[in-house]
Amino acid sequence: ETGVTQTPRHLVMGMTNKKSLKCEQHLGHNAMYWYKQSAKKPLELMFVYNFKEQTENNSVPSRFSPECPNSSHLFLHLHTLQPEDSALYLCASSQVSGNTIYFGEGSWLTVV
Amino acid sequence: QQQVKQSPQSLIVQKGGISIINCAYENTAFDYFPWYQQFPGKGPALLIAIRPDVSEKKEGRFTISFNKSAKQFSLHIMDSQPGDSATYFCAASIRGSTLGRLYFGRGTQLTVWP
Repeated sequence: ETGVTQTPRHLVMGMTNKKSLKCEQHLGHNAMYWYKQSAKKPLELMFVYNFKEQTENNSVPSRFSPECPNSSHLFLHLHTLQPEDSALYLCASSQVSGNTIYFGEGSWLTVV
Repeated sequence: QQQVKQSPQSLIVQKGGISIINCAYENTAFDYFPWYQQFPGKGPALLIAIRPDVSEKKEGRFTISFNKSAKQFSLHIMDSQPGDSATYFCAASIRGSTLGRLYFGRGTQLTVWP
């Protein structure tokens, strides 16, 4: 079992659908992150949560809504997405005061 | 404006050869420079990292060379192996910022031929 688990691994959704990505970390970390990885851009940080509190939103459109119910779980709620939102969404975690970020394997999202 | 520029975009190396990937940055506030390795279908994994108070860091076959005055750093993979075939990302973060606030290069796809 990997330290950071993401589900589902693949998701296809229509532009009017509502879906959620889930992330769980088993490393005892207290910071969690969502990143977007697409072919046309470098890895982009989307959101940061420290001790369940959102500390950074990197100008992400409101059609992406994160939720962090506890330090081990992170969700990304998706609604009214656009085809250009198709990408690999990576969850990561770390200690707030640490120096290493651990990534999950990602959720491949295709918006049709 | 891209904060970290990485080259080349792709690299093909013979087994046993040296793979070299270069990165450049402009922001002098960067003080942490990690390299990540990503295999197909996997998330990026930390490979090696350096801080600007040293000019070189070596871990096994992997070496980071850092040139503070030129604002450049590079990854050298000695005795490259087919198992090293992956995408490599350089990154940088700013002193005192959130740990996850990493600025990534666009990545280099390395292929090592047997």
